[in-house]
Amino acid sequence: DAGITQSPRYKITETGRQVTLMCHQTWSHSYMFWYRQDLGHGLRLIYYSAAADITDKGEVPDGYVVSRSKTENFPLTLESATRSQTSVYFCASRMGQGKNTGELFFGEGSRLTVL
Amino acid sequence: AQSVAQPEDQVNVAEGNPLTVKCTYSVSGNPYLFWYVQYPNRGLQFLLKYITGDNLVKGSYGFEAEFNKSQTSFHLKKPSALVSDSALYFCAVLTGGGNKLTFGTGTQLKVEL
Repeated sequence: DAGITQSPRYKITETGRQVTLMCHQTWSHSYMFWYRQDLGHGLRLIYYSAAADITDKGEVPDGYVVSRSKTENFPLTLESATRSQTSVYFCASRMGQGKNTGELFFGEGSRLTVL
Repeated sequence: AQSVAQPEDQVNVAEGNPLTVKCTYSVSGNPYLFWYVQYPNRGLQFLLKYITGDNLVKGSYGFEAEFNKSQTSFHLKKPSALVSDSALYFCAVLTGGGNKLTFGTGTQLKVEL
């Protein structure tokens, strides 16, 4: 089915471990985004990508790494997880700039707990 | 910096009554404003947007939003609330030269019978 899928949906890990959250979209949208959602902060942008091999930092990039070797995939890696990275992570995508700018399509989220 | 603020963490309304969820913005230049809704354990869904033109914007599920330049507000409204409208609502503004959406902190809407 077409859409944007995230995996895993739930993950528990320990401090210091590396974790990768996967995001895959089937629309060939050029833009992809990673947000984290925390109570009292709403959604904060971690990283985004305008196209394959083009990525840029968002509001809270420290401790995270992204890559975009293929248009449809945009994995987010926590190189050494910390408790402050316990959060719900959302991947989103959209078409290129134009009349639909700002209309994001979100995945279902990945709930990460760092012990 | 471009930003939006949602002054209410929670809004309670009785079913059948009109509802308003507030949003104010701080933007240099013309604002591109959005509303999204999040149901429990789901991702956000686009509701409506203001780019230019009419100050009253209509969106999905009977929602509408009123852009007010003098008050720098973009409040979400619905004439008659439903219990199924209970969800978390986010206001957002386009930033970063049109590349990124910056979200408010969200307002939990609870519609009671």
